[in-house]
Amino acid sequence: SQQGEEDPQALSIQEGENATMNCSYKTSINNLQWYRQNSGRGLVHLILIRSNEREKHSGRLRVTLDTSKKSSSLLITASRAADTASYFCATDRDDKIIFGKGTRLHILP
Amino acid sequence: EPEVTQTPSHQVTQMGQEVILRCVPISNHLYFYWYRQILGQKVEFLVSFYNNEISEKSEIFDDQFSVERPDGSNFTLKIRSTKLEDSAMYFCASRGLAGKNTGELFFGEGSRLTVL
Repeated sequence: SQQGEEDPQALSIQEGENATMNCSYKTSINNLQWYRQNSGRGLVHLILIRSNEREKHSGRLRVTLDTSKKSSSLLITASRAADTASYFCATDRDDKIIFGKGTRLHILP
Repeated sequence: EPEVTQTPSHQVTQMGQEVILRCVPISNHLYFYWYRQILGQKVEFLVSFYNNEISEKSEIFDDQFSVERPDGSNFTLKIRSTKLEDSAMYFCASRGLAGKNTGELFFGEGSRLTVL
């Protein structure tokens, strides 16, 4: 299966701490994307990293990609209450973008 | 800012009835997708659509499902004879001129389908 699998399934941290979520996948990919979903809402794109890239930054987000291990990580630095959401990795191959099961992140005040 | 819009936001139907979920993708986008999410669970790929035909579909997308772009703006998902297990949130997404493999997906807010 192409599907990404996030780890951990759920994560609770104190506001201000960093949050790290991991994603593993099984097939070759063109790129890997991370999305965020607030409860009951649509998914919002956060960041895309291409298969020939190893690291990418966007604001408080840092994404790494290791194609040899078929894994990616999303780091959110200096977390805020508003970061509470579910985070999904998505593998992009041909015209099939497959989402993992997601990590539910809860930021404690 | 352009957005993907979906209607209805919530539909309740009886088992065995036909349902049509509608989506208006962002106007200059060329690639269209349907996903479903059973409450609190993973986001499942159903189908991708490009140039007026299905480009990829999952094993979930069986003969009960069909998609159509009838008028150049709407993108619809039809479920011919709904089952209880079709109850889920259905998300439409579109992708832009950057083309497949290179661009982010823009999602609508979803249509919640409840089958009784």
